[in-house]
Amino acid sequence: GAVVSQHPSRVICKSGTSVKIECRSLDFQATTMFWYRQFPKQSLMLMATSNEGSKATYEQGVEKDKFLINHASLTLSTLTVTSAHPEDSSFYICSARGQPGAFSTDTQYFGPGTRLTVL
Amino acid sequence: QKEVEQNSGPLSVPEGAIASLNCTYSDRGSQSFFWYRQYSGKSPELIMSIYSNGDKEDGRFTAQLNKASQYVSLLIRDSQPSDSATYLCAVNKRMEYGNKLVFGAGTILRVKS
Repeated sequence: GAVVSQHPSRVICKSGTSVKIECRSLDFQATTMFWYRQFPKQSLMLMATSNEGSKATYEQGVEKDKFLINHASLTLSTLTVTSAHPEDSSFYICSARGQPGAFSTDTQYFGPGTRLTVL
Repeated sequence: QKEVEQNSGPLSVPEGAIASLNCTYSDRGSQSFFWYRQYSGKSPELIMSIYSNGDKEDGRFTAQLNKASQYVSLLIRDSQPSDSATYLCAVNKRMEYGNKLVFGAGTILRVKS
């Protein structure tokens, strides 16, 4: 139980293009999803929190117009990196937290991550 | 002061020994605590959660929580080389828009065979 998937697992794109990453909770309904970024040998950095059906809350210093988050259903959230540049190359990881009654309501389960390389 | 503090390590233990990982947190109101394991190049995976003072055991893992001292630890018994990873301590923090996890920087564990 509590499986979270991400697609794609790896993406290489040219500078200036946009990339969309999907995060799905496969066996539970996720009222809240989180997007993290991790650079090599550094800690997880929370980018934004999204609740189903409402706008995402971005952490300080994260550009909301560059990192578009959509959480349209209880099982799917997407992160779009717009006009990607080499400095956006990183490991992007989503996590999901479930509804009351489904697993633990405050436990986050992580997806496998998406490695983005911008050339 | 960081909200969640961990010794970065690396902590080296021989195979079969007990590995002890420690974490302190600053928010006295915190109620939920988690340990995640992260292998190099992979995403974090949940090991244990703990909510009450005392010990919680799951297989070779034991989480210990002391809210008075604002301290949470993870013991790994009979350490195996496959336990070599970065261990992340996380504490739930209440925000206006909901809860979020605050992570420590992680402790690198190396188990030598």
